[in-house]
Amino acid sequence: EPEVTQTPSHQVTQMGQEVILRCVPISNHLYFYWYRQILGQKVEFLVSFYNNEISEKSEIFDDQFSVERPDGSNFTLKIRSTKLEDSAMYFCASDPNRGNEQFFGPGTRLTVL
Amino acid sequence: AQKITQTQPGMFVQEKEAVTLDCTYDTSDQSYGLFWYKQPSSGEMIFLIYQGSYDEQNATEGRYSLNFQKARKSANLVISASQLGDSAMYFCASPGGGNKLTFGTGTQLKVEL
Repeated sequence: EPEVTQTPSHQVTQMGQEVILRCVPISNHLYFYWYRQILGQKVEFLVSFYNNEISEKSEIFDDQFSVERPDGSNFTLKIRSTKLEDSAMYFCASDPNRGNEQFFGPGTRLTVL
Repeated sequence: AQKITQTQPGMFVQEKEAVTLDCTYDTSDQSYGLFWYKQPSSGEMIFLIYQGSYDEQNATEGRYSLNFQKARKSANLVISASQLGDSAMYFCASPGGGNKLTFGTGTQLKVEL
């Protein structure tokens, strides 16, 4: 069964460093998303991506964040200068645009020291 | 739906018993959907079940069913014949504009022998 994959599973970085989180969505899906979950809290929407551009972003998704789909399969989230409060689980999700299924990857746990 | 409320931070159930996890929503949309996801301690988000607002029948997937009461704006998850492996955090979620999901705060379910 096709699934969303994410790498790495864990990332530890120093404050101020850039990180790139990678996702491979399910191949025939059209909408892609990034969410984050700070430890012990609910899942929060960051950004959605469709037709090679951002379709919506939350107030969390400031200028430090960017997304790309560089090669038609990978979907990346870049954080330019990480802060302590960026420590969270980051989930990628994809959606075939039926609106009734959104599949999540296993997540990348980011720890900023 | 714009707001999702899960009022049970924690629930206990005996193995083989049924349990209901509550979810209420607030929306002005005419057409909307409700999702339930399971998050085990390993952190991944597992899609369980979906209910569309225009679906006449309550959704069912194996041991999971949705008790959807539109007039009360509730979409409670019923897990029948609980198993130890059902112990996890359960999130109710709904798409807003553009299919982004808004999540509730979750319910931690513990299945006991």
